[in-house]
Amino acid sequence: GENVEQHPSTLSVQEGDSAVIKCTYSDSASNYFPWYKQELGKRPQLIIDIRSNVGEKKDQRIAVTLNKTAKHFSLHITETQPEDSAVYFCAASRALVSGSTLGRLYFGRGTQLTVWP
Amino acid sequence: DGGITQSPKYLFRKEGQNVTLSCEQNLNHDAMYWYRQDPGQGLRLIYYSQIVNDFQKGDIAEGYSVSREKKESFPLTVTSAQKNPTAFYLCASRLTGGSSYEQYFGPGTRLTVT
Repeated sequence: GENVEQHPSTLSVQEGDSAVIKCTYSDSASNYFPWYKQELGKRPQLIIDIRSNVGEKKDQRIAVTLNKTAKHFSLHITETQPEDSAVYFCAASRALVSGSTLGRLYFGRGTQLTVWP
Repeated sequence: DGGITQSPKYLFRKEGQNVTLSCEQNLNHDAMYWYRQDPGQGLRLIYYSQIVNDFQKGDIAEGYSVSREKKESFPLTVTSAQKNPTAFYLCASRLTGGSSYEQYFGPGTRLTVT
């Protein structure tokens, strides 16, 4: 099955700085890569995702990049704010060519991001 | 809240007792999932179900059982065979087909077994 590795496990940044979290995956057939944010005591929530037919996707201060050749994808948060403090999880999955997803998600172990004011 | 509910929020049991965690969704989602979350371990898949009356084992199914008799409901039973059941349990669901692959999570149940 798929193996997703996530680094670093903890990350501390000063407010306003950028944060980068990196993940690698093992299954070359994986083609859907979501990122979830989980605040303390809350449920994980999708913040951004990318499919293998694009190399980069942005949504305001967050962006995700994908390198299929290296089997590597990253989350970039710019102008960090204290409310960005949370655990971030990357994941990988296969999706059928037709667009319907039958594959399960494989999660990384998470990164605890702390943004200091 | 995403239309997924889990109850109760906190659950305490004595060792040797079976316990059932509830997961209900009103999103008309086909697929449902159970994850276990421990500090530093990420989200580990216990069981998942793509359609009613069908389910598959995930990575850590030993000591757990599920049923999927209705589309809206996917209860998880933690049996006495589970050696270390104290954890945070998350249920999730998603719509199969269509353009969105997003999994929606419930609020979780924190189980403590003593």
